[in-house]
Amino acid sequence: DTEVTQTPKHLVMGMTNKKSLKCEQHMGHRAMYWYKQKAKKPPELMFVYSYEKLSINESVPSRFSPECPNSSLLNLHLHALQPEDSALYLCASSQDSYSSYEQYFGPGTRLTVT
Amino acid sequence: RKEVEQDPGPFNVPEGATVAFNCTYSNSASQSFFWYRQDCRKEPKLLMSVYSSGNEDGRFTAQLNRASQYISLLIRDSKLSDSATYLCVISGSARQLTFGSGTQLTVLP
Repeated sequence: DTEVTQTPKHLVMGMTNKKSLKCEQHMGHRAMYWYKQKAKKPPELMFVYSYEKLSINESVPSRFSPECPNSSLLNLHLHALQPEDSALYLCASSQDSYSSYEQYFGPGTRLTVT
Repeated sequence: RKEVEQDPGPFNVPEGATVAFNCTYSNSASQSFFWYRQDCRKEPKLLMSVYSSGNEDGRFTAQLNRASQYISLLIRDSKLSDSATYLCVISGSARQLTFGSGTQLTVLP
C-alpha cells in the first residue's frame, strides 16, 4: 500500500472558493512533487520541493500556491480556479530530487471546479 | 518529436498471452528508466526500474537499449489483473520524470 497519503479524496469547489490539498509521506523522503493529471493523459509536473524549498515551478498559474511546512508535508492552496483546472491532483515523493530515485505517488485528490 | 513515445494501444490480449510494449526516448542523456502501471482512476504505481543489464520480476521483464534509445516491457502469462495503462517514464539530466502517454492493456478472459 502507498505510504503517501492525500486528503481529501474528492473536492468540489466553486470558482470563488479557497481550498487546500494536503499530502503527507512517511518514508523520510526529501523531495516532494505536485502533478496534475487530466483524463487519458499522463501526469504533468507542477512543482518540486527539495529539502523543503521550492526548486521547480513549471510555469503554473498563481491561483495554485504550494507550501511545504516540513519534510513530510506538502500542501497545495487553491484560489479562484477555473473549470479547466478540474483534474486529478497527485502528490509524489522520492528520496531526493538530485538522484534518479523512483517517485512514489499518493492516491490523488479528484478536483471538480464548478 | 516527443521526448518519450509509446504506442497508445489499446492492446487486447487473451489470458495467458505474452505481450510486449516498447517506448522510445529522444534525450540521449536520459539517466533512469521506469515502468509504472496505472489502473483506471488510481495513481501511477511503480512496476519496475529498468537497468542496462535488463531485469526480471516474476512474469515481467524490462530491458533498456541505450544505443537505439528504447525500453521495453514484456509480460508473460497475462492475468486479468494485468489490465491497466502502462506508463514509460524517463528521468533526464534535470532529474525530473518525463512520462510517456501510456499504453492501455486489456487482458480478456
